[in-house]
Amino acid sequence: QKEVEQNSGPLSVPEGAIASLNCTYSDRGSQSFFWYRQYSGKSPELIMFIYSNGDKEDGRFTAQLNKASQYVSLLIRDSQPSDSATYLCAASMNSGYSTLTFGKGTMLLVSP
Amino acid sequence: DAGITQSPRHKVTETGTPVTLRCHQTENHRYMYWYRQDPGHGLRLIHYSYGVKDTDKGEVSDGYSVSRSKTEDFLLTLESATSSQTSVYFCAITGTLTDTQYFGPGTRLTVL
Repeated sequence: QKEVEQNSGPLSVPEGAIASLNCTYSDRGSQSFFWYRQYSGKSPELIMFIYSNGDKEDGRFTAQLNKASQYVSLLIRDSQPSDSATYLCAASMNSGYSTLTFGKGTMLLVSP
Repeated sequence: DAGITQSPRHKVTETGTPVTLRCHQTENHRYMYWYRQDPGHGLRLIHYSYGVKDTDKGEVSDGYSVSRSKTEDFLLTLESATSSQTSVYFCAITGTLTDTQYFGPGTRLTVL
């Protein structure tokens, strides 16, 4: 059974702080990892994906992957109230087409 | 915007009635997916398709069937709706990057 685990939160941070969202996965065969943002009542929106160990930066977002520890994280720098949403972590086998396994999501609240 | 539309966007129906949800994409993507999202469970894969007339079951396929007679349309049918199928249903496609999925706007289904 493939599982992706996330703390449900809410994670509360003040505006301007760094928000750190974490995710662990059970299947060592997982190769690709994705972070989605979902506002209330809306569909998931892809933020970042990462395939290789280490860090990947895109603007205020940094994804971190440690395959040995089966751990993925998303850092959001200079958090804004507009970042308040639920963040979904997902993993796939990268087998040519994807069936993603999603975590249940972490709710992030950024207070002004 | 990955050119995905879903219809209807909202539907209320009664237990025992058949329901068909439609996912339409305009960019000729090969892979399409149906998920349901429920509080406490996150996103769960119902069925997916890897081509016209080629479909397979996901994690929670019982009570659902799918059809894909054209590349652009992926239909999800509840043969006899039950209250446990009250949920938000999302369609997704795999983009040009392997495993990267993009979601439609969702359909909120209520079964009374």
